[in-house]
Amino acid sequence: SQQGEEDPQALSIQEGENATMNCSYKTSINNLQWYRQNSGRGLVHLILIRSNEREKHSGRLRVTLDTSKKSSSLLITASRAADTASYFCATETSGSRLTFGEGTQLTVNP
Amino acid sequence: GAVVSQHPSWVICKSGTSVKIECRSLDFQATTMFWYRQFPKQSLMLMATSNEGSKATYEQGVEKDKFLINHASLTLSTLTVTSAHPEDSSFYICSALGLAGFGQYFGPGTRLTVT
Repeated sequence: SQQGEEDPQALSIQEGENATMNCSYKTSINNLQWYRQNSGRGLVHLILIRSNEREKHSGRLRVTLDTSKKSSSLLITASRAADTASYFCATETSGSRLTFGEGTQLTVNP
Repeated sequence: GAVVSQHPSWVICKSGTSVKIECRSLDFQATTMFWYRQFPKQSLMLMATSNEGSKATYEQGVEKDKFLINHASLTLSTLTVTSAHPEDSSFYICSALGLAGFGQYFGPGTRLTVT
């Protein structure tokens, strides 16, 4: 069963604004990853944060991980219309198995 | 970067027929590949873990006799949907495990429509 939950399920913002998505999970993890998926397309790996890390940056992306609360957040700064997509968190456990969250549909309006 | 391909990218088949989907790692060897299924507007669900040279490990609730997985080489895993039915219509995505700590590389997906 899916163990990841994301909120919000849908987020609509204006270009230039920041977008924050949250992810919660239930079990111990090796790492947590964020992926992006454009409609009907494959996944694009955005960032991986290990269980012993608390924050990571990559370009306009900032990811935090709180293992005590079993939660993570993805912040996209200065959003662009091209950022419109679905965003999924995925937790990696033993055997490199990934369990995906329900996803957040982000719409960035020009 | 590492590239994973899937073939076909989309397929339409009639109910009762079987469909084979290929997943290839193009520039690296992958001893482990994963198969996911994604229904419209839903998340990805792991179906099975495919290990080169051994039997696949299926997730709970996934019928191994219906979804046949073969990982005969270090660069190729195949998923065969046997006796497909309309409820099997979905987006099937594979991934290949890269070097330790670098996560999985995902294929572009295969859209299966069963009529």
